[in-house]
Amino acid sequence: AQSVTQLGSHVSVSEGALVLLRCNYSSSVPPYLFWYVQYPNQGLQLLLKYTSAATLVKGINGFEAEFKKSETSFHLTKPSAHMSDAAEYFCAVSETNAGNNRKLIWGLGTSLAVNP
Amino acid sequence: DTAVSQTPKYLVTQMGNDKSIKCEQNLGHDTMYWYKQDSKKFLKIMFSYNNKELIINETVPNRFSPKSPDKAHLNLHINSLELGDSAVYFCASSHSGGGNTEAFFGQGTRLTVV
Repeated sequence: AQSVTQLGSHVSVSEGALVLLRCNYSSSVPPYLFWYVQYPNQGLQLLLKYTSAATLVKGINGFEAEFKKSETSFHLTKPSAHMSDAAEYFCAVSETNAGNNRKLIWGLGTSLAVNP
Repeated sequence: DTAVSQTPKYLVTQMGNDKSIKCEQNLGHDTMYWYKQDSKKFLKIMFSYNNKELIINETVPNRFSPKSPDKAHLNLHINSLELGDSAVYFCASSHSGGGNTEAFFGQGTRLTVV
């Protein structure tokens, strides 16, 4: 079964600093990987996804993530944090079961705080 | 136009009651999901429907019964509510097919059982 590990349940950065949120996956097949963001009291919104077309994926709001097969990682970065980036971030991998039905396997989330 | 909408947004009820949460999507997707997010923000899939057919049921207590009248709607009915059912419930939808299709989420329903 596939799994996702997000290192660091809480990350705090200063406004303007680099944001780095870590995600490692476990998969026996080439994975489809996703990063979602959840703002307070909101649903989840897709930031970006890896679908094997390119290892560096650009998403919304200035975020990007790099797929590194050798490290089984898909870390999320943003060069300069903004106060509005404070939210919960989830990494997920797509898993297909024996019945060829697919579901997302989620990491536990990383709460990002941005300090002025 | 809201893509995935759920009602109600907040639900406070007593133990033992029965309640329903409704979900509708106008994206033309053929797959819909219910997720439960606990107080620690952990997300877990509960059910998935494809074209009104149940395709994923993740060992959820049978007090939870999803119903899909058509592929644009997936409702969740919960019988005999328990304190442990308190959580945020998210509806989502996606196209079926490849594993690279993303899910679109509703705003969530915060259920509090007292």
